Amino acid sequence: KAGVTQTPRYLIKTRGQQVTLSCSPISGHRSVSWYQQTPGQGLQFLFEYFSETQRNKGNFPGRFSGRQFSNSRSEMNVSTLELGDSALYLCASSLDNQETQYFGPGTRLLVL
Amino acid sequence: GESVGLHLPTLSVQEGDNSIINCAYSNSASDYFIWYKQESGKGPQFIIDIRSNMDKRQGQRVTVLLNKTVKHLSLQIAATQPGDSAVYFCAENRGRDDKIIFGKGTRLHILP
Repeated sequence: KAGVTQTPRYLIKTRGQQVTLSCSPISGHRSVSWYQQTPGQGLQFLFEYFSETQRNKGNFPGRFSGRQFSNSRSEMNVSTLELGDSALYLCASSLDNQETQYFGPGTRLLVL
Repeated sequence: GESVGLHLPTLSVQEGDNSIINCAYSNSASDYFIWYKQESGKGPQFIIDIRSNMDKRQGQRVTVLLNKTVKHLSLQIAATQPGDSAVYFCAENRGRDDKIIFGKGTRLHILP
């Protein structure tokens, strides 16, 4: 089985722009979670989607949003980018919650 | 607030020795715990998990111990190898419909 894939792998944006990141889960996995990883804050949960519905949400502002499609692929969007949004954004998929999560390689976003 | 944490940010271990990485959690309602390994430039990789109805679980060269009385989780790596160099995260889940919360991570250094 192919692993979790994320595109793009690297991205440079400027403040005020918006960005969309994509995640393709492992085939058959219906749960997709997104995380932001920074040196200072570690791995922070953004949101989780299951069967096209947002099931859980972390403590991030409304500028961070996501969605999941019928094929379980997921996208996250960050609008009005700020310098502090520079981070590694990780996607993880699993059959369901409390099942093993498999992470993708991440998208490294740099906001200038 | 977020409650999963690690006692030591960095751990140096002689090659061939056993490594013990510790983690504290504060929510007694957490019922699922996971250890992840993250190598430089990669996403976290699942190592082992344990549910709250168990106090020990073994994998290949790894053992996770759960002490619910003091809300403590540990990862033991036997015969540590250079390839074990990475950052190790513990994570907890507070219920099937809740999010997974990660600790800050411990960097494991292997000394030759």
